[in-house]
Amino acid sequence: QITLNESGPPVVKPTETLTLTCSFSGFSLTTGGMGVAWIRQPPGKALEWLALIYWNDEKYYNSFLKNRLRVTKGTSDNQVVLTVTNVDPLDTATYFCAHSPKYPSSPPLEFDFWGQGTLVAVSS
Amino acid sequence: QSVLTQPPSASGTPGQRVTISCSGSNSNLGNNFVYWYQQFPGTAPKLLLSTNNQRPSGVPDRFSGSKSATSAFLAISGLRSEDEADYYCASWDDSLSGWVFGGGTKLTVL
Repeated sequence: QITLNESGPPVVKPTETLTLTCSFSGFSLTTGGMGVAWIRQPPGKALEWLALIYWNDEKYYNSFLKNRLRVTKGTSDNQVVLTVTNVDPLDTATYFCAHSPKYPSSPPLEFDFWGQGTLVAVSS
Repeated sequence: QSVLTQPPSASGTPGQRVTISCSGSNSNLGNNFVYWYQQFPGTAPKLLLSTNNQRPSGVPDRFSGSKSATSAFLAISGLRSEDEADYYCASWDDSLSGWVFGGGTKLTVL
């Protein structure tokens, strides 16, 4: 049973750095084929993919936000951390992490398990 | 402005068949799988249809998908009130080297 849980501050000030943690169980990022993605959703708006990290430390970023995003494995095998620098009120959103597998010779595959999301407001 | 284009809304009456479209380009739908997600208000999205239109465990066979060139379609037959939700399509984009989503379609069951 795969489960994921996002954690982070509910409010951050403009220009600050937002740090979010995805804690998961049911799989390990030391296992081949495993990956974790970050997706966000501003209130009342559509889903937006942000970043993706795989077991082999392969990383992908949203090209429009790439300069402000960083995804890393956490200090334990069951955590992934996303940082968003220089936040703006437009970064106000619910941030989700999701399990995303990838197998040899395959393109990235679906987001098959999702966390419940954490709402972050950017406000002074 | 989303890379994949979906109609903002769709509707139908109970028992009807409804289709939601998703339009993209060669770099995404034209060369990669399409995935569909269902989202109820205040909850996380749920994978509805996977590669080759596979339904994850627990998804009713009333939900089906198809893809032709740079367009994809989600069909819901025997529409039920509990199908009222937002539906998103997604695909990997080779040019962007990243995932792209549609803008979402809000389905209303009249």
